[in-house]
Amino acid sequence: SQKIEQNSEALNIQEGKTATLTCNYTNYSPAYLQWYRQDPGRGPVFLLLIRENEKEKRKERLKVTFDTTLKQSLFHITASQPADSATYLCALSPMYSGGGADGLTFGKGTHLIIQP
Amino acid sequence: EAGVAQSPRYKIIEKRQSVAFWCNPISGHATLYWYQQILGQGPKLLIQFQNNGVVDDSQLPKDRFSAERLKGVDSTLKIQPAKLEDSAVYLCASSLAGTGGWQPQHFGDGTRLSIL
Repeated sequence: SQKIEQNSEALNIQEGKTATLTCNYTNYSPAYLQWYRQDPGRGPVFLLLIRENEKEKRKERLKVTFDTTLKQSLFHITASQPADSATYLCALSPMYSGGGADGLTFGKGTHLIIQP
Repeated sequence: EAGVAQSPRYKIIEKRQSVAFWCNPISGHATLYWYQQILGQGPKLLIQFQNNGVVDDSQLPKDRFSAERLKGVDSTLKIQPAKLEDSAVYLCASSLAGTGGWQPQHFGDGTRLSIL
């Protein structure tokens, strides 16, 4: 069955350092991979999307890589700040089949804590 | 633009009772999703609508869950009868017309359901 794995334990990073989060998947051939941020009591917020034929995507302090051979995505936050503390969710979506079904399959998320 | 609106924010019921959740998507978004998020897990897709038609309900427990999207705008999700394992946050999301997973999904803040 399809499986998405993210760091199950909290990740503690010192302010100003680069935080790197990992998303591994098995039994899946995603066309797109998305990263979301979720704060306590709130819904997920979209951050970045990367296609299967893209190696890297950047947005301000965020960078995502996608390696379909390793079946892995890495999510980096450079110059991390305490405000970056949240849960980060990796989500996969299949190639559009024509039927319109494009619901996301999410990992459990990684809880990131940036310490001052 | 206004975000995805959900109500109520919290609901407490006893097992075997029924409950309904309401969602108003972002204006102009043809695709609407309902996800279930159990504590400590990532969101799990329950059902996807394209306008007022169901595109994917393969993970919806149809013996107790139902959903509708009248006039292709607002949507309601109902549980009847509720079980203890239905305790979760129910998230609604919307996106532009479903043409594959390259569109970000916009989430509401969810309804937190507690079953006693």
